[in-house]
Amino acid sequence: NAGVTQTPKFQVLKTGQSMTLQCAQDMNHEYMSWYRQDPGMGLRLIHYSVGAGITDQGEVPNGYNVSRSTTEDFPLRLLSAAPSQTSVYFCASRGQADTGELFFGEGSRLTVL
Amino acid sequence: SQKIEQNSEALNIQEGKTATLTCNYTNYSPAYLQWYRQDPGRGPVFLLLIRENEKEKRKERLKVTFDTTLKQSLFHITASQPADSATYLCALNRDSNYQLIWGAGTKLIIKP
Repeated sequence: NAGVTQTPKFQVLKTGQSMTLQCAQDMNHEYMSWYRQDPGMGLRLIHYSVGAGITDQGEVPNGYNVSRSTTEDFPLRLLSAAPSQTSVYFCASRGQADTGELFFGEGSRLTVL
Repeated sequence: SQKIEQNSEALNIQEGKTATLTCNYTNYSPAYLQWYRQDPGRGPVFLLLIRENEKEKRKERLKVTFDTTLKQSLFHITASQPADSATYLCALNRDSNYQLIWGAGTKLIIKP
């Protein structure tokens, strides 16, 4: 009954470092996405994927890369971390293409110094 | 620009009363709207979805209304309990790709 699993839960980086946030789901969902959540703002979509081998940009994609080699996994890569990327990151998946509820992971809190 | 507004101030409600949260939007014609609950340090959890042709949706103590003329959704929790204390997020589909745009959320505090 795992649902959406994100790792790590917390991470501190120095400016310029790179890292990968991992996301895995066991619900066989085709749609997966990454959001960031900042104080006083709504969730903002970074990248999303509608199936293995297919990815697309969301609202705030700059500085992030994604890939989708399997249905289960959707990692988010920060290429060269900047303080503006300090945020809480959420991975979410959806079973139905339209109107379906999003299932979220527990979040990854990233601090860039 | 497209915008969703939720009351940024925390809403304090006495236990047993009905809590009503508001979600207003501009420059949209969404096909549906969703409400989520988020507890501190956790990811959002889906509660209800209401479509543009539905006026009201209920689930146990929860009720959502959707007024496309006023561009507003109201989220009600009846017989509120301290366990209902959380931040509640509304989200609307933004485009034909079913991407969602989110409000910043309203923090609800139910006092015993």
